[in-house]
Amino acid sequence: GESVGLHLPTLSVQEGDNSIINCAYSNSASDYFIWYKQESGKGPQFIIDIRSNMDKRQGQRVTVLLNKTVKHLSLQIAATQPGDSAVYFCAEHTGRRALTFGSGTRLQVQP
Amino acid sequence: NAGVTQTPKFQVLKTGQSMTLQCAQDMNHNSMYWYRQDPGMGLRLIYYSASEGTTDKGEVPNGYNVSRLNKREFSLRLESAAPSQTSVYFCASSAQGLDQPQHFGDGTRLSIL
Repeated sequence: GESVGLHLPTLSVQEGDNSIINCAYSNSASDYFIWYKQESGKGPQFIIDIRSNMDKRQGQRVTVLLNKTVKHLSLQIAATQPGDSAVYFCAEHTGRRALTFGSGTRLQVQP
Repeated sequence: NAGVTQTPKFQVLKTGQSMTLQCAQDMNHNSMYWYRQDPGMGLRLIYYSASEGTTDKGEVPNGYNVSRLNKREFSLRLESAAPSQTSVYFCASSAQGLDQPQHFGDGTRLSIL
């Protein structure tokens, strides 16, 4: 079946740099995408979402970009901080199904 | 505002024992979900309840049952626990519909010996 995937399992960045976490999806019918952050020992925390009728959406220090042509989703974090260290998941919604989650990317912020 | 509350936080069971994981949300959400998360993996949907009075199977429903007790509460039951069900279980809720942000509890860490 179709699934959400991620390019990199671990991303290491320097504090203050910008981070980009990527996600590939294979179902062209997906209409809603969401990014979550999960810290150790905690449940996933909502970061930002985007619908398929948009290409870009910005939040506080975060931007999500959606490229439907190549079925690619990215999360950009500006001025990465140590508190951003976590596992980041993308998820997609298709049709009448519940969200499908990717396997996650670990972001490590080096001081 | 507590959000999504799961009990217990930790539990150890022996193979064959039964157990019910409890979940309650105070956000007046219509939809609720149960996931399991295995080490180094993403979330896999076990069951969900799109609205009070309905439940549907997710990706990995075998060995589990659920009950949507009322709008606030959604429980997950393991009738005869197996070591393969050792995992972290997360409950989540969303306001309306399946294409909405889900809000998660902090999980129940379940070990089956």
